[in-house]
Amino acid sequence: DIQMTQSPSFLSATVGDRVTINCKASQNINKYLNWYQQKLGEAPKRLIYNTNSLQTGIPSRFSGSGSGTDYTLTISSLQPEDVATYFCLQHNSGYTFGAGTKLELK
Amino acid sequence: EVQLQQSGAELVKPGASVKLSCKTSGYTFSNYYMSWLKQMPGQNIEWIGNIYGGNGGTGYNQKFKGKATLTVDKSSSTAYMDLSSLTSEDSAVYFCAMGGYWGQGTLVTVSS
Repeated sequence: DIQMTQSPSFLSATVGDRVTINCKASQNINKYLNWYQQKLGEAPKRLIYNTNSLQTGIPSRFSGSGSGTDYTLTISSLQPEDVATYFCLQHNSGYTFGAGTKLELK
Repeated sequence: EVQLQQSGAELVKPGASVKLSCKTSGYTFSNYYMSWLKQMPGQNIEWIGNIYGGNGGTGYNQKFKGKATLTVDKSSSTAYMDLSSLTSEDSAVYFCAMGGYWGQGTLVTVSS
């Protein structure tokens, strides 16, 4: 089974900051990597699919990059409404989620 | 607009079974897979399995074989998940998901 190691677990940042969240797979996942945002009490929302494709309706400040085993979600300029937990999901072989990154405002 | 509407919260006794539903609209049900996922507080989301709306073909996470049974009713564009022999470890929020669309989740609480 493919394991996903997500970092950091917790992140505190200021409005306007550039924020990056990382996921490392235990083996090559061929860019089959999605990113999700989950706010308290809500279902996860897909932000990015297949490493760098932006889901319709998601602000362009969200972007994804990576290849092989290493992937990154970047928020170019943090907004107050971005406070949430972020998860990665690999779907190259089965489906495995990262443990999540809780993002809050400093 | 694609919508996935899940059934309401369940309080069930240990050893019992429960059937969750996910009623869909806004897309051609028969053409897509529906996944089911489990989220427990403080733990990674887990993929339980998926089912093809066209023919009911299923794939399961080995961990959930024997625990979860996925079915569909094409006539009502609804997906179902049966959870059997429930224990406290099955207390969680369960989501259905199709592509980038998720249901709102169903809270299952197993308690005597």
